[in-house]
Amino acid sequence: QQPVQSPQAVILREGEDAVINCSSSKALYSVHWYRQKHGEAPVFLMILLKGGEQKGHDKISASFNEKKQQSSLYLTASQLSYSGTYFCGTEMRTGNTPLVFGKGTRLSVIA
Amino acid sequence: EAGVTQSPTHLIKTRGQQATLRCSPISGHTSVYWYQQALGLGLQFLLWYDEGEERNRGNFPPRFSGRQFPNYSSELNVNALELEDSALYLCASSFWGGSYNEQFFGPGTRLTVL
Repeated sequence: QQPVQSPQAVILREGEDAVINCSSSKALYSVHWYRQKHGEAPVFLMILLKGGEQKGHDKISASFNEKKQQSSLYLTASQLSYSGTYFCGTEMRTGNTPLVFGKGTRLSVIA
Repeated sequence: EAGVTQSPTHLIKTRGQQATLRCSPISGHTSVYWYQQALGLGLQFLLWYDEGEERNRGNFPPRFSGRQFPNYSSELNVNALELEDSALYLCASSFWGGSYNEQFFGPGTRLTVL
């Protein structure tokens, strides 16, 4: 089942902060975050596992609330290079269920 | 270390023709995933191959098919092309079975159906 991302779009000025949320109705094993710039492939940012382990970009932080099955991506002191569409992907790891991506959050950082 | 590679970069076909897209995973990765991304839309899961077997397929008609070769590279075939098949086709690879299953994407093949 597709996770729900919010907001759908956000515009920031350089230096401002943003939070992108990703919610699932299913019990998750992990949440993956990607950023896709226009005309390019998605780039892996971070993965968060249930139980608290995480691995990813050292300048981006995220959290995973297992009780709510919700993950949040925190973008602080935004830079122009942060612009793009952010996708979360959720993994249940039951049987052969693939990663399911949300519809994306379009982030625009302006000077 | 080389990333995921895809070929061709662009492909132009006419309605009714067949298209073949190719993907080479990162060395050591055994799983290959195919996604369709239509203009302005998200990532729609197409197919997942691991160790040469199809593990799962998304909600796409049977004319979308593929395979994975012994060297873990993969091929996506789209038969009887329709106009709405025009999209960016992304391939990703991962090492399935570890704790972390981060997928790394290739640059994609942009398929245009005229």
